Amino acid sequence: QKEVEQNSGPLSVPEGAIASLNCTYSDRGSQSFFWYRQYSGKSPELIMFIYSNGDKEDGRFTAQLNKASQYVSLLIRDSQPSDSATYLCAPYSGSARQLTFGSGTQLTVLP
Amino acid sequence: KAGVTQTPRYLIKTRGQQVTLSCSPISGHRSVSWYQQTPGQGLQFLFEYFSETQRNKGNFPGRFSGRQFSNSRSEMNVSTLELGDSALYLCASSFSGSDIQYFGAGTRLSVL
Repeated sequence: QKEVEQNSGPLSVPEGAIASLNCTYSDRGSQSFFWYRQYSGKSPELIMFIYSNGDKEDGRFTAQLNKASQYVSLLIRDSQPSDSATYLCAPYSGSARQLTFGSGTQLTVLP
Repeated sequence: KAGVTQTPRYLIKTRGQQVTLSCSPISGHRSVSWYQQTPGQGLQFLFEYFSETQRNKGNFPGRFSGRQFSNSRSEMNVSTLELGDSALYLCASSFSGSDIQYFGAGTRLSVL
C-alpha cells in the first residue's frame, strides 16, 4: 500500500466549477499536510497547508483535514484554466523531518 | 526576497561520471532538503541538512551524498551515474523548526 494515495486523474472540470482533489495517507504520525501545485516542466509551488482537523480557506482554495479518517482534500472554487496543473499532496512527518508526496492529481480546467 | 536558487538548471552527463548540484536556500532558512522526481517514482526524499549536519536520509544508494556549508548552502553529489539517475532534482528550504518547505526551480539531469 502506498503511503500517500491520490487519484491520478486526469480530472477535468469546466471553468467556474469546483474542483475536488482527494488524498489519503497511512502515517498516523503525520503532523501537517501540504498541497503543492506543479505546472508541467516546473517545480512544486506551495499553495496550502493545514495542521488541524476541519477546514482552512485561502482565497479560492479550501483544505480539509480529517485525521481520524487519514484524509485530506483540496477544493478549488471558481476554477480557472490557469489552475490546470498537477496537485501534489504531502503529509509531513516531524520524526522523519520529511515530506512524503503522493503521485499527484492532474487537473484540467476547460474554458 | 530571493527564493531557493539551484544551479545548474540543466546537466547532461554520461554513465559512470559524477555530478555535483548546488542549492542556495532562502535567506534565513537553515534547513535544506533534497528530492528526486521521476515520472515513474514521483517525488522522493533524498536527505535533509540542518546546521551542516545530515539529519535524515531517504532510501537511496550510497552513490547519493550531500553536504551543507556554514552559510546553509548545500550540495548534493551523485557518483558513478546510471541511466536511472536521470531526473529532476529539487531542493527545498525552510526556517529552523518549520515544516513549511519552499522549492527551487530544480536541476534537470540527463544521463546518457
